[in-house]
Amino acid sequence: QVQLVESGGGVVQPGRSLRISCAASGFTFRSYAMHWVRQAPGKGLEWVSVISYDGSNKYYADSVKGRFTISRDNSKNTLYLHMDSLRPEDTAVYYCAREYSTGWYLAFDLWGQGTMVTVSS
Amino acid sequence: SSELTQDPAVSVALGQTVRITCQGDSLRSYYASWSQQKPGQAPVLVIYDKNNRPSGIPDRFSGSSSGNTASLTITAAQAEDEADYYCNSRDTSGNHVVFGGGTKLTVL
Repeated sequence: QVQLVESGGGVVQPGRSLRISCAASGFTFRSYAMHWVRQAPGKGLEWVSVISYDGSNKYYADSVKGRFTISRDNSKNTLYLHMDSLRPEDTAVYYCAREYSTGWYLAFDLWGQGTMVTVSS
Repeated sequence: SSELTQDPAVSVALGQTVRITCQGDSLRSYYASWSQQKPGQAPVLVIYDKNNRPSGIPDRFSGSSSGNTASLTITAAQAEDEADYYCNSRDTSGNHVVFGGGTKLTVL
């Protein structure tokens, strides 16, 4: 079925690195731009990053720019987020989401179940 | 970048109509999309573009927009509509995405 499944979350010390993944199935992954969105405990949704369908364009929220790197492997139908120099404020559930858009709107029509990243000593 | 502002909490009596609003400069250029999130679950898209519903979303959900304000209206709210609702749009640069802070809807 059409789904996104995140993995790789866990507890990591401040300043360390972590890579999380999102496996896509049931649709043509290489045709869609993909995003990471996070949600700190008890807080709202925060956009993190986007990668174009072919990986040629990437954008980041100011809060993670220079520390996080988004990538994808279309041969493996997998999206990645490599997180360096992690901070306690990066603690959140990280969701991958599929973009559905035109020039006039951008929506997330498919979400994963999320993977929890906890940054703590 | 830009911001989207939502009321933190709204309540509605069972069967009545409620409107949830979202304000921001980016909404003068882009339509908002709306997602519903229930406790412990991932968000689910309920409205996108001018006023479109994904398959499976009840027609009691509708969207509208005027100036810098987008609205999500739930007509004849049901108990299962109790959830957090988030608006989002492209930001004013067009390359990033911005979310509203979310509105917690309580159905009384």
